Amino acid sequence: DAGVIQSPRHEVTEMGQEVTLRCKPISGHNSLFWYRQTMMRGLELLIYFNNNVPIDDSGMPEDRFSAKMPNASFSTLKIQPSEPRDSAVYFCASRASGVGETQYFGPGTRLLVL
Amino acid sequence: QQQVKQSPQSLIVQKGGIPIINCAYENTAFDYFPWYQQFPGKGPALLIAIRPDVSEKKEGRFTISFNKSAKQFSLHIMDSQPGDSATYFCAAARSARQLTFGSGTQLTVLP
Repeated sequence: DAGVIQSPRHEVTEMGQEVTLRCKPISGHNSLFWYRQTMMRGLELLIYFNNNVPIDDSGMPEDRFSAKMPNASFSTLKIQPSEPRDSAVYFCASRASGVGETQYFGPGTRLLVL
Repeated sequence: QQQVKQSPQSLIVQKGGIPIINCAYENTAFDYFPWYQQFPGKGPALLIAIRPDVSEKKEGRFTISFNKSAKQFSLHIMDSQPGDSATYFCAAARSARQLTFGSGTQLTVLP
C-alpha cells in the first residue's frame, strides 16, 4: 500500500487566495483526520470523518476553513480566503475501524501564505 | 484545555544514554496511550502504544511505563542512537475516538 497520500506537498500562496489541500487515505480505512502543526500550537486536530461523515469539527479555526469527504478515498481541506497565520504543515491521517487502531499519517502539506 | 501535558520540551543526550519523556493526562476515561515519532519533513509515525491494564510495554529499545493512579506515562529509549533524534509525541484516546496529542519533545542524541 502506498500509505496516505497528500497533495500538494508544498504550497505558497498570497493572502486572500483560496487553498485546497487533498488527501487520499489508505484503502480500507474508514476514519480520516486533518491536523495542523505549528511551532506555537503543536499538533492540532482540525476535523475527523468516520465513514465519510464529519464527526467532530470543533478544531476548525473559523469559517474560512472547510473540509469534505465525498467518498471513502478522497478528502479535501479548503481555506478561503487564506491568511498568513494559516501558514503551517497540514497532515492527513487515516485509521481502520476498531478501538485504538493506529493512525497513519501522510507526509503533510507545507503551506506558506504570504 | 490541554488534556495531555508532555515534558520536557527538548532533550539532549549522549549516544548510549537513556532519554526519558514524560506525559500526564487528566481524563480518566482515556484507554489508549500511543507514542509517535516524527522526523523532520515527515508525518508522525506510531512507535509504541499501551493500554491501562499493563504497567509496562517494551518493543526493542523503546519502553512505555504507565502509572494509572498517577495518570502518568513515560517513554524510555535504551541505548539511544543518533538515528533516534526526532520529535516524540505522546497521545491519549478514549474508546477509539480521536487522539489528543502532547506538545512534543525534540530529542537530540549526540554521537
